[in-house]
Amino acid sequence: GQQLNQNPQSMFIQEGEDVSMNCTSSSIFNTWLWYKQDPGEGPVLLIALYKAGELTSNGRLTAQFGITRKDSFLNISASIPSDVGIYFCAGRENSGYALNFGKGTSLLVTP
Amino acid sequence: DGGITQSPKYLFRKEGQNVTLSCEQNLNHDAMYWYRQDPGQGLRLIYYSQIVNDFQKGDIAEGYSVSREKKESFPLTVTSAQKNPTAFYLCASSISGVMNTGELFFGEGSRLTVL
Repeated sequence: GQQLNQNPQSMFIQEGEDVSMNCTSSSIFNTWLWYKQDPGEGPVLLIALYKAGELTSNGRLTAQFGITRKDSFLNISASIPSDVGIYFCAGRENSGYALNFGKGTSLLVTP
Repeated sequence: DGGITQSPKYLFRKEGQNVTLSCEQNLNHDAMYWYRQDPGQGLRLIYYSQIVNDFQKGDIAEGYSVSREKKESFPLTVTSAQKNPTAFYLCASSISGVMNTGELFFGEGSRLTVL
C-alpha cells in the first residue's frame, strides 16, 4: 500500500494555540481516519470520515474529508498539554482492505 | 473489558534468534493485523488475516511469519532472516465483511530490541 503524505512532520506550540495538519494521497479514498498515539502506547481513534466533504467534530478536534477524496484535514482548537503525542492519518481505497498510514505529526505543547 | 492484548511489552533478543510476539483479542473481530513502527516512519503493514486459517502478506512481510489458528489469536514470529528487527510492533483488529468501517483497534504494542 501507499504511504500517505502527512504534514507537518512536527509542531511545537504554546498552550491555547490552534493546530492544523493535513494528509494527502495519490489515489481516491472512501475512508479517512485520524488516530492519536501517546508515547509507548498503541494509536487510538479520534475521528472517522466516510463521505467526501464530511466535517466531523470530537470535542476540540475537527476533521474534514476533502472534496477530491484525496485529502483530509485535522484541526485542534485551544491546545492543552495533554494534546501532546503523535497524530496519524489513515485512509482506505475503494478496492482496498487494509489501511494506509501517514508518517505522523508529532505535537508538543508548552504550558 | 474488551480489547487487544499484546505481550510481552518489552523484549530483548540476540542476533540470529527467532522471537514470537503474542496478540490476543476478545472483540470477536474477524480481521487482525500486524504493523511495524519505526521512529518518523509511521505504521507499515507486515501481515493481515481476514479470517481463521487465512492470512496475506503486507508491504514488509520478509523475515516475518504468522499463524491464525484461532479467531482470538494472531501471533507474529520475527525470524533471524529479518535484517533490522529492532522496532515497535503493533497488533490491531477490525470488523470484517460488509460491516467493515475501516476502523482498527490497536493493542499497546511490543518493543523488540535486538542486541
